[in-house]
Amino acid sequence: DAGVIQSPRHEVTEMGQEVTLRCKPISGHNSLFWYRQTMMRGLELLIYFNNNVPIDDSGMPEDRFSAKMPNASFSTLKIQPSEPRDSAVYFCASSLGPTEKQFFGPGTRLTVL
Amino acid sequence: GQNIDQPTEMTATEGAIVQINCTYQTSGFNGLFWYQQHAGEAPTFLSYNVLDGLEEKGRFSSFLSRSKGYSYLLLKELQMKDSASYLCAVGHASGGSYIPTFGRGTSLIVHP
Repeated sequence: DAGVIQSPRHEVTEMGQEVTLRCKPISGHNSLFWYRQTMMRGLELLIYFNNNVPIDDSGMPEDRFSAKMPNASFSTLKIQPSEPRDSAVYFCASSLGPTEKQFFGPGTRLTVL
Repeated sequence: GQNIDQPTEMTATEGAIVQINCTYQTSGFNGLFWYQQHAGEAPTFLSYNVLDGLEEKGRFSSFLSRSKGYSYLLLKELQMKDSASYLCAVGHASGGSYIPTFGRGTSLIVHP
């Protein structure tokens, strides 16, 4: 299996622009997680899907952030409009279930100027 | 809310043994994970404990005491490649399901 796939790997954008991050989970995994990692705050859970349904989005910072999972093999995290404080590494992870070990994608390093 | 504490940084010598502690306070506990993260890379799974006791896997072992809200990761015969951040993650009840919350991680530096 190719593992969790994320794109793009790097994104540099200007404040106010829309950013879309993409994730393809491992086939057969029912749970998908979006995380944000910064030096200041560590690894934070943004949103968690189970069987394509958002279960917990309490970690989504504000209305500028939205996430979708239209099918079992694809998810997006969108930031609109982006701000410099959104600069971070965004990881997508998938697992067989919410209490199973997670497999992380390589991450997207986002820089908002 | 969840509270997970780990030391920020530890140093050790190649060939030695190091123990990384993790204490937690949570509701609806459902297992504890350890992940390893090398600089610039994604976290990778190391171990999972749901019952009290020691789980051994090669050079790495993980221990859990649910009554004390305590876990540790033990690394034996340290190698330079073990220099990384080690993340403790606690599974807990949330939104009718269980999800993990990660600690800030312990940066381990192994020197010759």
